[in-house]
Amino acid sequence: SQKIEQNSEALNIQEGKTATLTCNYTNYSPAYLQWYRQDPGRGPVFLLLIRENEKEKRKERLKVTFDTTLKQSLFHITASQPADSATYLCALATNQAGTALIFGKGTTLSVSS
Amino acid sequence: KAGVTQTPRYLIKTRGQQVTLSCSPISGHRSVSWYQQTPGQGLQFLFEYFSETQRNKGNFPGRFSGRQFSNSRSEMNVSTLELGDSALYLCASSLASGGPGDTQYFGPGTRLTVL
Repeated sequence: SQKIEQNSEALNIQEGKTATLTCNYTNYSPAYLQWYRQDPGRGPVFLLLIRENEKEKRKERLKVTFDTTLKQSLFHITASQPADSATYLCALATNQAGTALIFGKGTTLSVSS
Repeated sequence: KAGVTQTPRYLIKTRGQQVTLSCSPISGHRSVSWYQQTPGQGLQFLFEYFSETQRNKGNFPGRFSGRQFSNSRSEMNVSTLELGDSALYLCASSLASGGPGDTQYFGPGTRLTVL
């Protein structure tokens, strides 16, 4: 069956450290993988998109990798800050599904000062 | 540019009733998608509308329906509400080339509680 899993429901780290979030999928052939941030009571906010033929993408303190052989994406936040505390969602987009996104259940990151 | 707006933000209904939720996309965006978010299932795709036509549909029963107007505003309707329909309903808009690379811009959601 098709699955998309974010390995940790919760991740607690100290300010200044690098947070690494994992997204694994099975039985999908994603054309794109996207990462979103969601704060309590709000809708998800787009962060980064990586294509199937790209290995790595960066934006400021954020970095995402995409390994289609391992069927895994890693999302890194370097020099983390308390303001980075939120739930992070990975989402697959496939050519078959059009614009529909298939979301993981998210990892809640808490950064303590 | 104003973001995606959804009304109402909160709604309480009883089982068996029906409900209509509204979404206004970002100006210039022609695609509107709807998602249901629950603690157990996470975010699940309901359907997408583009140019007043349903272009894509998720795996939800026929009680869930939607439509899009000529100004790209969209509504979704849930008939014969069940307790399990309690969720955060999120609307997202995109410029919509129609491909999987479209970035979705989400609204704040409508929190529906079914009693």
